[in-house]
Amino acid sequence: QSALTQPASVSGSPGQSITISCTGTSSDIGGYNSVSWYQQHPGKAPKLMIYDVSNRPSGVSIRFSGSKSGNTASLTISGLQAEDEADYYCTSYISSGTYVFGTGTKVTVL
Amino acid sequence: QVQLVQSGAEVKKPGASVKVSCRASGYTFTNYYMHWVRQAPGQGLEWMGIINPTSSSTSYAQKFQGRVTMTRDTSTSTVYMEVSSLRSEDTAVYYCAREDRGTYHLDYWGQGTLVTVSS
Repeated sequence: QSALTQPASVSGSPGQSITISCTGTSSDIGGYNSVSWYQQHPGKAPKLMIYDVSNRPSGVSIRFSGSKSGNTASLTISGLQAEDEADYYCTSYISSGTYVFGTGTKVTVL
Repeated sequence: QVQLVQSGAEVKKPGASVKVSCRASGYTFTNYYMHWVRQAPGQGLEWMGIINPTSSSTSYAQKFQGRVTMTRDTSTSTVYMEVSSLRSEDTAVYYCAREDRGTYHLDYWGQGTLVTVSS
């Protein structure tokens, strides 16, 4: 199973909105509504930001939102803040209890 | 509060095995699956496998089948992940992370365990 495809880097100025894409196939993203997104700051464990394509866990800022169209999922960060600078990973359920992560995207706040 | 506490860093020689533990507290151990995810230095996250603490059934990424074994001890609320035939490419931080059964996302993560494979 190949990793889901994400852009290596995305940048934006404070206050702007950015979108990170996560492209898979009909066997993963396209086949299930089980896409989640994780934020990881350097040296830290990942943190759940979005689950089931578009749901936010309690405590996660409403500036983070998720969506899906076909085989591509997206994470949008609105009102970009310095603290959003981190690596972001998507993941999807595949089948038979297995999962796959995306390649990861480094978000830079200019 | 929910905590996943992992064992400490390890240094191993190529060909050896390593066993990393993840002790859970603050919730009912058998109500949540446990995943293992690793991250090589400067690289992305890689899903390794999952264990159901109730039944001890497992599912592994194809890449790790035959070389990774996940087990659990319900008496201590601990899951273990063993990697055999270590090679330099296995140098990574290994994380455990829990999933509320059937929800397909990881809501709490351990602090990570660095495994270094070097001769």
